[in-house]
Formats: sequence, C-alpha cells, structure tokens
Amino acid sequence: QVQLVESGGGVVQPGRSLRLSCAASGFPFSNNAMHWVRQAPGKGLEWVALISADGSFRDYADSVKGRCSSSRDNSKNTLFLELNSLRGEDTAIYYCAREGIVGVVDDWGQGTLVTVSS
Amino acid sequence: EILMTQSPATLSVSPGERATLSCRASQSVGNNLAWFQQKPGQAPRLLIYDASTRAAGVPARFSGGGSGTESTLTITSLQSEDFAVYYCQQYHIRPLTFGGGTKVEIK
Repeated sequence: QVQLVESGGGVVQPGRSLRLSCAASGFPFSNNAMHWVRQAPGKGLEWVALISADGSFRDYADSVKGRCSSSRDNSKNTLFLELNSLRGEDTAIYYCAREGIVGVVDDWGQGTLVTVSS
Repeated sequence: EILMTQSPATLSVSPGERATLSCRASQSVGNNLAWFQQKPGQAPRLLIYDASTRAAGVPARFSGGGSGTESTLTITSLQSEDFAVYYCQQYHIRPLTFGGGTKVEIK
C-alpha cells in the first residue's frame, strides 16, 4: 500500500534553514505529483507546495514563496522541501501528500514537526 | 485565492444521529471539492472527492453533496470512530485552500 514517511524535522533557530525529506513506497512515485501541507499546533491545514511528477513544475504558497524550494529524486522515490529564513510562524507539522486523481490529495504521511525557536 | 468557510465550527451530536457539515467557497469551485477527516495525532484522511465521490474504503454513511460555492458532508448514524475534525478543500484553482474545520464532538 501507499506509504509516505517524512523526516528532517526538529527545533531550528529563526533565520536558519531546514531540509525535509519524504520517502515514498507502494506506488510508482514518478507518476504522481506531490504536495507539502502544514499544520500549526492546534490549527487547520495550510497547503505549502506542489511539485509535478517529473519535477519540471513547482508552485508555492505566498506565505513561503521565495523561502521555500521543493524537489524530488524519482530514482530514489524521495521528495524534499527546503525551508529558508525560518520564522516562528513556520512552526508546524509538515505533511507530504500524494496527488492521485488530478488535484486530489489522496494519501498523506504522518508528518514531521518543525519548531522554530531560539 | 479562494476562501473556504466551514460551519459550524463545532457540532455536538449523539451517537447514532445524523450530522450535516457545510462548506462555502468565496467563488465557484465547480465539483473540485474534497472532504478530509482528521483524528488527534493523525494525518488527514481523504473521505470525499469531486464533491460527492467516496474515496476507497470510506463507509457509505459518509456522503458529499453540492457544487459551485456550497457543499455539504453528511454523516448518517454517527459511530464512535467518526468523532473527529473535518476539513473541506478546493482544488479548482491553485493555491489549494482548506476550510477552517468542523469539530464533530460527542453530545
């Protein structure tokens, strides 16, 4: 079955950078666009980034645009999210999620917690 | 950006009763509307997509309706495992946007 496992979260100081990873298995990874969605503690869901199946197209939420870069290695079935110039409001659980049917985010990882604090 | 508004914020329902959750979009999203369920400490789970299509493995007591700017999620005969937070999400236009959620709690 589809499995998505995020890693790379932790406590990071404001202004620093962090790289999150998402290891995918159970489906042909190179066939699917992938998303990152985050959830601040006790809050709702916020879409962060999209990367197309072949990595040629990327889109970002305004809240992270210019500070965020999504990439993927289809040979290793792995998705990445690099976050720069981190701020307190970036504190959240970051989920990677698969896009199945066009536009539909149908499978999610368990998330990795990023805490931005000095 | 399309703003998604869910109501009510909290819904108190007795087990076995029916729950109806609403989601309003600031502009038409066509049928490009999904519903997710999230339990504490867990990732969201896709319930409904294309406004009314149940995802694989989702019980028939969950149904979605509506289109355009108004959508509903109905849960008939609530079971104990259905008490959770529910989010609507549009994928008609990027950025993808979510509603603020409706918490379904035990009355």
